[in-house]
Amino acid sequence: NAGVTQTPKFQVLKTGQSMTLQCAQDMNHEYMSWYRQDPGMGLRLIHYSVGAGITDQGEVPNGYNVSRSTTEDFPLRLLSAAPSQTSVYFCASSYGPGARETQYFGPGTRLLVL
Amino acid sequence: KQEVTQIPAALSVPEGENLVLNCSFTDSAIYNLQWFRQDPGKGLTSLLLIQSSQREQTSGRLNASLDKSSGRSTLYIAASQPGDSATYLCAVVYNFNKFYFGSGTKLNVKP
Repeated sequence: NAGVTQTPKFQVLKTGQSMTLQCAQDMNHEYMSWYRQDPGMGLRLIHYSVGAGITDQGEVPNGYNVSRSTTEDFPLRLLSAAPSQTSVYFCASSYGPGARETQYFGPGTRLLVL
Repeated sequence: KQEVTQIPAALSVPEGENLVLNCSFTDSAIYNLQWFRQDPGKGLTSLLLIQSSQREQTSGRLNASLDKSSGRSTLYIAASQPGDSATYLCAVVYNFNKFYFGSGTKLNVKP
């Protein structure tokens, strides 16, 4: 199993540009989540999904969009990048709710918005 | 809003020492608490999960305790090794699938 994979590993954007961060898992997990990690702060939940076709907002959803058309993929879209979105983004998945099941994390995508 | 605090922010110890990492949270109505390890440039690895009804969990040299009434959890690492060097994060699960993470303790174990 490849586990949770994220692409790209690193990206530089200009303010106002849009992009999609890719996340895929091959463990047939129903639950997937996106987090951002900023220096000196813990991870913060952006959006999560409890299954294909079902998504919900986390703690910091503004400026981000998600969809879940398949069990395997959970892309995160930045609609109009802002410098405040400079961060490291992690995708995670679990068989059941992350609260009860071990979450598996991807290696992260480092995003720099100029 | 749930606030999660980890003290100390950084810790350096010689190999072989036993050590304790601390995590405190403001709202005791938690679902569970989890400890993670993060290596530089990598994602998080789950270490231990303590349900709200439990007092502690053990895995190898790691032991995590939970005191909901005081809003505290500790991660005890026995006989530390250089390979334990990493950042340790605690996360309080306040709702069904909503995690609140602390900012972590960066541990350095010197050979």
